[in-house]
Amino acid sequence: DQQVKQNSPSLSVQEGRISILNCDYTNSMFDYFLWYKKYPAEGPTFLISISSIKDKNEDGRFTVFLNKSAKHLSLHIVPSQPGDSAVYFCAESSQTGKLIFGQGTTLQVKP
Amino acid sequence: KAGVTQTPRYLIKTRGQQVTLSCSPISGHRSVSWYQQTPGQGLQFLFEYFSETQRNKGNFPGRFSGRQFSNSRSEMNVSTLELGDSALYLCASSLRGVEAFFGQGTRLTVV
Repeated sequence: DQQVKQNSPSLSVQEGRISILNCDYTNSMFDYFLWYKKYPAEGPTFLISISSIKDKNEDGRFTVFLNKSAKHLSLHIVPSQPGDSAVYFCAESSQTGKLIFGQGTTLQVKP
Repeated sequence: KAGVTQTPRYLIKTRGQQVTLSCSPISGHRSVSWYQQTPGQGLQFLFEYFSETQRNKGNFPGRFSGRQFSNSRSEMNVSTLELGDSALYLCASSLRGVEAFFGQGTRLTVV
């Protein structure tokens, strides 16, 4: 059973608007949640993380929100840029070096 | 600071052969983990090493093995290759076991 779910395989957004990527998880025992961005045939690039004791973390255009009661995680990108077009993965970490990834959401930002 | 380096970038092997992939982590990172990415299964955790000890192992057959050296460099070996082992193999290193930084990956094709 998938522990981390990204239910939207794809998302299309206009340049300058907000992109909201969503992720649901089942296991509440993980300490951190992370978002990665990936281009084809390359390794994932770390974007932002959030501790399970927080509900929001911000880094430039990227903000991650954590709703523990709903077991839901979201990544907001504002404003969206064409260079943000990529596959986005959420992941959970138990601080032992093991990441469990969702299936990914392909974001397309249209100029 | 140099990033995670994986060699080789591309590899073609025949069924039944074995293969060894190499990973040099970011300087100072002692945790190295390996992942397999396939179109159908997404990013799957293989194993993680810290200070030459395997701390975590994913749900892969014993044909997949790894090791870590005293300089934190790591190798991954797959024996008796099968067609289904064709994938992008990713190595990641981490300083504190949370955020993992990935290499470019090795694209393995088994024919």
